[in-house]
Amino acid sequence: EAGVAQSPRYKIIEKRQSVAFWCNPISGHATLYWYQQILGQGPKLLIQFQNNGVVDDSQLPKDRFSAERLKGVDSTLKIQPAKLEDSAVYLCASSPRNSGSADTQYFGPGTRLTVL
Amino acid sequence: DQQVKQNSPSLSVQEGRISILNCDYTNSMFDYFLWYKKYPAEGPTFLISISSIKDKNEDGRFTVFLNKSAKHLSLHIVPSQPGDSAVYFCAASDEGSARQLTFGSGTQLTVLP
Repeated sequence: EAGVAQSPRYKIIEKRQSVAFWCNPISGHATLYWYQQILGQGPKLLIQFQNNGVVDDSQLPKDRFSAERLKGVDSTLKIQPAKLEDSAVYLCASSPRNSGSADTQYFGPGTRLTVL
Repeated sequence: DQQVKQNSPSLSVQEGRISILNCDYTNSMFDYFLWYKKYPAEGPTFLISISSIKDKNEDGRFTVFLNKSAKHLSLHIVPSQPGDSAVYFCAASDEGSARQLTFGSGTQLTVLP
């Protein structure tokens, strides 16, 4: 079974530029998550999708971050414009069942973003 | 407000000995706990989990203990191997938050040969 795929693996941009990350979850997984992991901290949830609907985006800085999951499969996370404090690893995870089940989340390798 | 805390940023253990990683939580609604292992440049990998209806779960060399009254869980690795060297994250979830995971800040385990 293929794991969660993410691209790009690394991205360096200047502040005020835009960037987009892509995630392809494990086939058949209903729930998809985007996390931000700042160096020295644990992953912090940004947004959670179930199929193609948003379950929770309360921690997504909506003035600059946006995310979508078209057709309930792939997802993209965009930052526009980027700030220095957005430098982090962006992790995508998926889980097989509905959000209310005590499921394990499976993580992709992440995208390391550096904002100069 | 850190709801999941891992107070030891690092731990060094000799190969073959026991590694004990600790985690404390404050949210009494948490009812499912997980440990993830993370190697550099990789995403976290699921290791072991425990439901709040249990106080122990074992999988090979890995055992997780849950003390609900103390809001504390620990991960025991016996015997420790050099390949276990990684960052270990504790995570917790509850049904009310749609099973979102709240992570601790991680503990870097180094197993010395």
